[in-house]
Amino acid sequence: SAVISQKPSRDICQRGTSLTIQCQVDSQVTMMFWYRQQPGQSLTLIATANQGSEATYESGFVIDKFPISRPNLTFSTLTVSNMSPEDSSIYLCSAKRRGTTNEKLFFGSGTQLSVL
Amino acid sequence: SQQGEEDPQALSIQEGENATMNCSYKTSINNLQWYRQNSGRGLVHLILIRSNEREKHSGRLRVTLDTSKKSSSLLITASRAADTASYFCATDPNAGGTSYGKLTFGQGTILTVHP
Repeated sequence: SAVISQKPSRDICQRGTSLTIQCQVDSQVTMMFWYRQQPGQSLTLIATANQGSEATYESGFVIDKFPISRPNLTFSTLTVSNMSPEDSSIYLCSAKRRGTTNEKLFFGSGTQLSVL
Repeated sequence: SQQGEEDPQALSIQEGENATMNCSYKTSINNLQWYRQNSGRGLVHLILIRSNEREKHSGRLRVTLDTSKKSSSLLITASRAADTASYFCATDPNAGGTSYGKLTFGQGTILTVHP
């Protein structure tokens, strides 16, 4: 099974600043995704991180607010820009392994972000 | 209502009892998956059931899928205190096609198992 290392595990940030979250996967994957989980809520897909090209964002999420990079197959970053208290959430990196039968997702341990 | 609604929202049982969680969804699916989350951290995949399957077992887990009713249930038998967690269903909406892994998650059920 793929192991996903995500950091930082938590951070407390000031309004107006930005935070970059890193995600490293230890094996070859096909798809990488970023999810947001607001307090007491379910997971919402932010975007699909595409290797070497711009991420594909879901409705309600924009690149200026959540720039994403994926310079190679196993590494991706998500930046939460110009943060406000409403951005306080858990951000989760996930990945799908190669193979058409491997539909399950592996998740990092999440980044708990609090914005003051 | 949202894709992937679950009930109950919270379930509290004693160790040794069975726990049943239900999930409803709205669109056609490729598969439905159940995940577990401990203390708001990363999710762990539990079990996957495909749209052409009706029931699946894995250890103490039993999942059913009724595509005509667009619903699924997760049964955990002989629960343990260590099963205390949040459980989410997730649907892969690309019915009949390649899975792209873009899952839609339900609201989750918080399960508490008392020793």
